[in-house]
Amino acid sequence: EVQLVQSGAEVKKPGESLKISCKGSGYSFTGYWIGWVRQMPGKGLEWMGIIYPGDSDTRYSPSFQGQVTISADKSISTAYLQWSSLRASDTAMYYCVRHQGYGDYIIDYWGQGTLVTVSS
Amino acid sequence: QAVLTQPASLSASPGASASLTCTLRSGINVGTYRIYWYQQKPGSPPQFLLRYKSDSDKQQGSGVPSRFSGSKDASANAGVLLISGLQSEDEADYYCMIWHSSAWVFGGGTKLTVL
Repeated sequence: EVQLVQSGAEVKKPGESLKISCKGSGYSFTGYWIGWVRQMPGKGLEWMGIIYPGDSDTRYSPSFQGQVTISADKSISTAYLQWSSLRASDTAMYYCVRHQGYGDYIIDYWGQGTLVTVSS
Repeated sequence: QAVLTQPASLSASPGASASLTCTLRSGINVGTYRIYWYQQKPGSPPQFLLRYKSDSDKQQGSGVPSRFSGSKDASANAGVLLISGLQSEDEADYYCMIWHSSAWVFGGGTKLTVL
């Protein structure tokens, strides 16, 4: 069974750094792209970026380029999303997702989500 | 103007059909795109429902009932998710998505109320 299991909820202050994780299992982790999707409170879905764990090829949405860093450690089948300096506007639910491919392909599996709250 | 526009809400009665639209921005031709549809219930991540480009290029999500289907309205430059035989469990948010300019783009979502 394919599973994407994300790290737990985080409460941080503005200016702090953060790295959340997404562990894949039940499939070949290095054979599929992993993406991140943001959902701000009461709002819709926004695609942030994607990484291919096999070679760490990474692409970002223009809206998120320079704002976050996506990485992966294929030895432990885990992808990461990190911030160097959080803002209140980063408060959101973040989902990791599995893409069937890079390009016009289905996002077929979603993690359970990690709620990030940034507040002073 | 947003790339994809969805009506914020839609209400329909149990047993009826509901058509959820996803309108592409002027200048982006719906005929050239695969439209993906996702369902999200409160407190849960979205789930893939189906993908539709044409009757020869479509895919249903695993376990998704056939009463969920996709189509296009070329005159409105829109993708359409049709849900027939509405059930109370279909009450959810529905998002469309396309692959555009080397990025995935979501619509703003439609909240479907079944009452």
